[in-house]
Amino acid sequence: GAVVSQHPSWVICKSGTSVKIECRSLDFQATTMFWYRQFPKQSLMLMATSNEGSKATYEQGVEKDKFLINHASLTLSTLTVTSAHPEDSSFYICSAGTKHSYEQYFGPGTRLTVT
Amino acid sequence: GEDVEQSLFLSVREGDSSVINCTYTDSSSTYLYWYKQEPGAGLQLLTYIFSNMDMKQDQRLTVLLNKKDKHLSLRIADTQTGDSAIYFCAESRNQGGKLIFGQGTELSVKP
Repeated sequence: GAVVSQHPSWVICKSGTSVKIECRSLDFQATTMFWYRQFPKQSLMLMATSNEGSKATYEQGVEKDKFLINHASLTLSTLTVTSAHPEDSSFYICSAGTKHSYEQYFGPGTRLTVT
Repeated sequence: GEDVEQSLFLSVREGDSSVINCTYTDSSSTYLYWYKQEPGAGLQLLTYIFSNMDMKQDQRLTVLLNKKDKHLSLRIADTQTGDSAIYFCAESRNQGGKLIFGQGTELSVKP
């Protein structure tokens, strides 16, 4: 199956700094990438949908100025958590898909801890 | 609105069958999925079913869909300890569209 990678797999940062998380589709071109957030023992909450070359569509309640998403190419999307605070600590998971497929392929996730 | 619900826990003995249930509210759901998540990892697609199907079998996995009741189930035959994980059902309205996930069912398999 298709492979999606995320980098880094875990990161610890200080409050007030920014953190960038990368999501790459390794062996296919992803027209759409999705960013999810997952709290411990909870479900995945969709944060935003990103289409290559256009602005991301954010879900209600997600601050677009805090969670910056860039989908610069068909194989790379980035999520930048700006001015991170401890409440931003979470597991961030991306997925990638195409318009012509019902499947989404998930990355392994990035554990963010803000101290 | 869109809502997907699952029971939170299921415990079975090794070798037994496991049945994980899911209900959804969106009558426009076209694709329904089952994902598996092991601790600290991303999601692995186990199987999927289209809304015009009633059943799908794939080795030890059987998916049943009751579209009238908006009920989806995943049966795992001969459950093994390696099947212990969290199982998420999810639905989508269209190809390439966003997924709406249930809360996840934590399956515990005891030897």
